[in-house]
Amino acid sequence: AQKITQTQPGMFVQEKEAVTLDCTYDTSDPSYGLFWYKQPSSGEMIFLIYQGSYDQQNATEGRYSLNFQKARKSANLVISASQLGDSAMYFCAMRAPVGGGSNYKLTFGKGTLLTVNP
Amino acid sequence: GAGVSQSPSNKVTEKGKDVELRCDPISGHTALYWYRQSLGQGLEFLIYFQGNSAPDKSGLPSDRFSAERTGGSVSTLTIQRTQQEDSAVYLCASSLPPDRGYTFGSGTRLTVV
Repeated sequence: AQKITQTQPGMFVQEKEAVTLDCTYDTSDPSYGLFWYKQPSSGEMIFLIYQGSYDQQNATEGRYSLNFQKARKSANLVISASQLGDSAMYFCAMRAPVGGGSNYKLTFGKGTLLTVNP
Repeated sequence: GAGVSQSPSNKVTEKGKDVELRCDPISGHTALYWYRQSLGQGLEFLIYFQGNSAPDKSGLPSDRFSAERTGGSVSTLTIQRTQQEDSAVYLCASSLPPDRGYTFGSGTRLTVV
């Protein structure tokens, strides 16, 4: 079974500092993808970053980077130089095949509420 | 369309009534997903469509919930005999396989009174 675990219900960070949001996953399939989404108070789901299980390098997108440790099954999100606008709920998600073939399921963690303090 | 469109954006219904929630995915996206998000919680998977078929409907909470997709495009999630515990935001997402990027709609906030 696929499972995503985010152990930090809430995190606080000072503006301009870096913060790491934790995510561990479990799947028996060797081919999977890992995502991070941001959900501000407006409720929209904003895609941040993607890491494929076969990617050799850690993904980066601007101030976002994904610390992918395959052996530990972790995919932590690092946000550098935090901004007030980064305050939001952050969800880790995993895409993995279900029932074989090309059918996929995107499973989410419970999220981490990040608050950036001025 | 340019994005995933969901309607209505808000729905208040009386307990016991049936409701239909609509999702219009991005044109050409063959994969479509429905999720439910209760207040302050994560996203609960409901059902996944590939084209018009549903390879995975394991997340539907009960037989009061059903979904269909026609023409490989618009999908409708139907909840019969609504209960108060059905109150949540229902989110739809679409993607092109191989699934890498998922685009979410703004959701339908359902309140059962």
